[in-house]
Amino acid sequence: SFVLTQPPSVSVAPGKTAIITCGGENIESQSVHWHQHKPGQAPVLVVYDDDHRPSGIPERFSGSFSGNTATLTITRVEAGDEADYYCQLWDGAGGRAIFGGGTQLTVL
Amino acid sequence: EDQLVDSGGSVVRPGGSLRLSCAASGFQFNRYDMHWVRQVPGKGLDWVSGINGNGIARSYGDSVRGRFTISRDNAKQSLFLDMTSLRLEDTAAYHCARLKSCGGSCYYFDLWGQGTLVTVSP
Repeated sequence: SFVLTQPPSVSVAPGKTAIITCGGENIESQSVHWHQHKPGQAPVLVVYDDDHRPSGIPERFSGSFSGNTATLTITRVEAGDEADYYCQLWDGAGGRAIFGGGTQLTVL
Repeated sequence: EDQLVDSGGSVVRPGGSLRLSCAASGFQFNRYDMHWVRQVPGKGLDWVSGINGNGIARSYGDSVRGRFTISRDNAKQSLFLDMTSLRLEDTAAYHCARLKSCGGSCYYFDLWGQGTLVTVSP
């Protein structure tokens, strides 16, 4: 089973770059996905398969993966980016999704 | 436009039962595995259950196995979660989600419902 670890919070000024990490043991061979969740709304997929961006997601959102850590980078941060961000992978052996604990992004 | 709309959440006593529904539109529902994911207030996302496109294969998280049952009606483009023996710790917003494959063991949720709130309270 996998455990994904994220920082509980990240704060960034408007126009700057936010970096959110997601680490775990033995995830090097896994694909990591990222979801944005604002209170009372449906979560939104912002990055899938480590570094792919769904249609409609701004280029400001990008993903990367190195070693046992996946990273979501948001450049030129806007007030509307304020949300909780979750990394996710699929545990094929268990047939279930695994989520990180989530990172609350605050735009100062 | 592809859309998922969750409904059925309510306040229920411990030990009670509830049925959640998820109405899908804009896409061919039977082509996708569907899942339920919940968020306990103040906590993160937690996978609950999943079902394959034809409704034959089902899976459950350890905390709900034996109490919750996932099902689907492809003709009505609907997903359900029957919840029994509800506990205080089942209090959460429940989201349905569409599962998509990127090959091999790579799967992700590409479409989510807005969530429906279940409150288990004495």
